[in-house]
Amino acid sequence: DAGVTQSPTHLIKTRGQQVTLRCSPISGHKSVSWYQQVLGQGPQFIFQYYEKEERGRGNFPDRFSARQFPNYSSELNVNALLLGDSALYLCASSLTGRADTEAFFGQGTRLTVV
Amino acid sequence: AQRVTQPEKLLSVFKGAPVELKCNYSYSGSPELFWYVQYSRQRLQLLLRHISRESIKGFTADLNKGETSFHLKKPFAQEEDSAMYYCALNPSQAGTALIFGKGTTLSVSS
Repeated sequence: DAGVTQSPTHLIKTRGQQVTLRCSPISGHKSVSWYQQVLGQGPQFIFQYYEKEERGRGNFPDRFSARQFPNYSSELNVNALLLGDSALYLCASSLTGRADTEAFFGQGTRLTVV
Repeated sequence: AQRVTQPEKLLSVFKGAPVELKCNYSYSGSPELFWYVQYSRQRLQLLLRHISRESIKGFTADLNKGETSFHLKKPFAQEEDSAMYYCALNPSQAGTALIFGKGTTLSVSS
């Protein structure tokens, strides 16, 4: 079991550009969540998808969007990048969408906006 | 507002000393609370959750609703416990979104 896999591992983009980050959940997991972690802070919730439907959205601007595919993999898109979007983006998968379920995290994608 | 506070950025102890990592939360309902740990160069992983009331790697955490706290404790620290520890709250019964604290780095030296 490879665990949750994210791609790419590192990315450098210019202000104003758009970026797509990808996540493959653990086999059998139907829930995927995205988090942003800036240096010195804990992860901050962006989105949760369960069975291809959005189940939750954090306090992020509309420049952030996501989707989940029939195979339960997910993409996070960020438009019109700002310097402040530089962060580690974490994907987590869960077997169910329940509140007490364990979240399994990927290694993250390090996004640098210059 | 829903919030998780970890007041200590760094906690340094000697091997064999007791450890207590503090976590306070702000939430009006019945929360689901977790401790996640990140060892050096490893991914974030679940350490324990309050609902299971279990001890993992010698760590325990008790939910105190009166004090809105969920402190993580271990009677005798080991060097391999050195890591970043995050307390997290799930305020929703319908989803898996987690609210994390800023984390506490535990450093155990011999």
